Amino acid sequence: DVKVTQSSRYLVKRTGEKVFLECVQDMDHENMFWYRQDPGLGLRLIYFSYDVKMKEKGDIPEGYSVSREKKERFSLILESASTNQTSMYLCASSRTGTTEAFFGQGTRLTVV
Amino acid sequence: KNEVEQSPQNLTAQEGEFITINCSYSVGISALHWLQQHPGGGIVSLFMLSSGKKKHGRLIATINIQEKHSSLHITASHPRDSAVYICSKAAGNKLTFGGGTRVLVKP
Repeated sequence: DVKVTQSSRYLVKRTGEKVFLECVQDMDHENMFWYRQDPGLGLRLIYFSYDVKMKEKGDIPEGYSVSREKKERFSLILESASTNQTSMYLCASSRTGTTEAFFGQGTRLTVV
Repeated sequence: KNEVEQSPQNLTAQEGEFITINCSYSVGISALHWLQQHPGGGIVSLFMLSSGKKKHGRLIATINIQEKHSSLHITASHPRDSAVYICSKAAGNKLTFGGGTRVLVKP
């Protein structure tokens, strides 16, 4: 069974904290994505990576950075968390040449 | 204007009813996806379409490339179909998502 695993389902952090969200996939996929999902706005792409150590900005990269040191792992970093980063964060992966993406269960982050 | 528009935003149906969700997109695509998100967050892929029609169980997805429009139909709806259904267009590796349709099927 293919799997994309996010490290936490629920997270509460304080304003100004550095936050790491981890995502691991076991399908040997080249592409990995981080999205945030907000009511009324749908899923929006923050960053994506198409290879180890490669990254591309998505539609809303401000306030975020990413790291992909190994093919199976893609980390999203909030350098200094703010309340407007309270959201559901979803990781996904896909194989190059296809558009079907596999999603993790999501991390609901609350910044207080 | 969003590249991908879904309607309706919310839909309530009685068990057994036929449900239709619509998706329109503004530019060309390589594929269109229908996704399902249950409470709790996890998203699963239902269909990937580039033309015509696909059927899986009680779910049917159609796409009209010329009209840039796709529909997802649920026949004989059941309370376990209650979820958010999301349309997504693919261009290269990038997916762009509609806002989702929240479906509630009452017993």
